Order: sequence, then structure tokens, then C-alpha cells
Amino acid sequence: SYEVTQPPSVSVSPGQPASITCSGKKLGEKYVSWYQQKPGQSPLLVVYRDTKRPSGIPERFSGSNSGDAATLTISGTQAMDEADYYCQAWDSSTIVVFGGGTKLTVL
Amino acid sequence: QVQLQESDPGLVMPSETLSLTCSVSGDFIRTDYWTWIRQPPGKGLEWIGFINYSGYANYNPSLKNRVTISVDTSKGQFSLRLTSVTAADTAVYFCAKVSEYFYFYMDVWGKGTTVTVS
Repeated sequence: SYEVTQPPSVSVSPGQPASITCSGKKLGEKYVSWYQQKPGQSPLLVVYRDTKRPSGIPERFSGSNSGDAATLTISGTQAMDEADYYCQAWDSSTIVVFGGGTKLTVL
Repeated sequence: QVQLQESDPGLVMPSETLSLTCSVSGDFIRTDYWTWIRQPPGKGLEWIGFINYSGYANYNPSLKNRVTISVDTSKGQFSLRLTSVTAADTAVYFCAKVSEYFYFYMDVWGKGTTVTVS
């Protein structure tokens, strides 16, 4: 079965860029979405269709997907961005797969 | 804006069947796809399955033998049944709306309901 992997944790200083990777075989051929989850809350969609940002999501959130990896980048990371982030991959043959999640710490 | 609300079964006995319902506001049940996702305590998200308004469903292969998702458009609800539950099925269960099936992403989520198998 298809799998995607994420680093368990990423640390970043306030104001600096943060990157979270999601790796999987030929991931660039699938569609990737990213979700932010804060403690006790439901996940929130922050990037879909690899690069698109839902309305209401700050411009500092961006995504890319190519080859065997997708990346969520947060430019100018703020304290409020501290959360768990999950990538989700999809195509009609592999159905829906979530990464294990990355805890983003803003130090 | 569509809103989702999961039912609250609370405690389920081992080996019994877990049943959950997600109520969809308005008449949105007749569009889009709908999905169930769960999150065991302290762990990541696990996709369970999806269904559309006409009843077309697909499931996570790891759960396929135990799970059934159904839809009742007259009630504006879709439901999850998970049989033969064990402690490993203890989790927060979320229902969510799938936007653009071709790209498959969840843009609206319920608040989640905690299910304990014990």
C-alpha cells in the first residue's frame, strides 16, 4: 500500500521560514493537501491541489509538489502557526493516505 | 457554509459495533463526497472511507472488512458502522466534506466525537 512520510518535528524561530516535507514514491504524480491541527481542534485545510490556498488562509502558507516530495512552506512563521501539520495524498488508484504528522514548534 | 455534526456514542463494548452519524446542514448532502477520518489518542489521522450522495463508497483497505459507510439524503446524514471493535478503535472520529473529488481534499470538518472502546 502507498505510504507518505513526514519528519516528526520541525523547529523554527519567529519570523523565519519553516519547511515541512512529505515524501512518497512518485508523489509528484498525485495530489497533495496539507492540514493544520491545533490541540483539541479539528484539522484545518491550509493547502490543496499541491499549491492552492483556501480563502482565509494567510499568504505565508504555500505548497509545492514534485518528484518524490511535497513541501509546505510557511514564510515569516508566527507563534500562532505552532501546530501539527499533516500531508494527505490522493489519486484514484491509491485512495487517501495521510502522513504521520509533523509537530511545528516556534521557539 | 455547510456545517457537520457527529453523533456521540461515547463508550462502546469490545467486539460490538460502533455506529456514528454525521448530520449535514442545508441540502448539501446531495453534492460532493463525504468522508470519515479518525485519530487515536496522541496519534495521527487515519482515513476510514468516503461516500457520495448516490451511495458510491470506498474504504481504507486496512478496515475494509469491518467498515460500512451509508448515506440517507432524506435526513441529510451519512453514517459509519465499524464492527468487532477493539481498544485499537478508540479514537476521535471526524466527518468531513470532500471538495472536488478529482483532487480529493477535505475543506469542512466536524468537531469530532470521542469514541472509547472499553
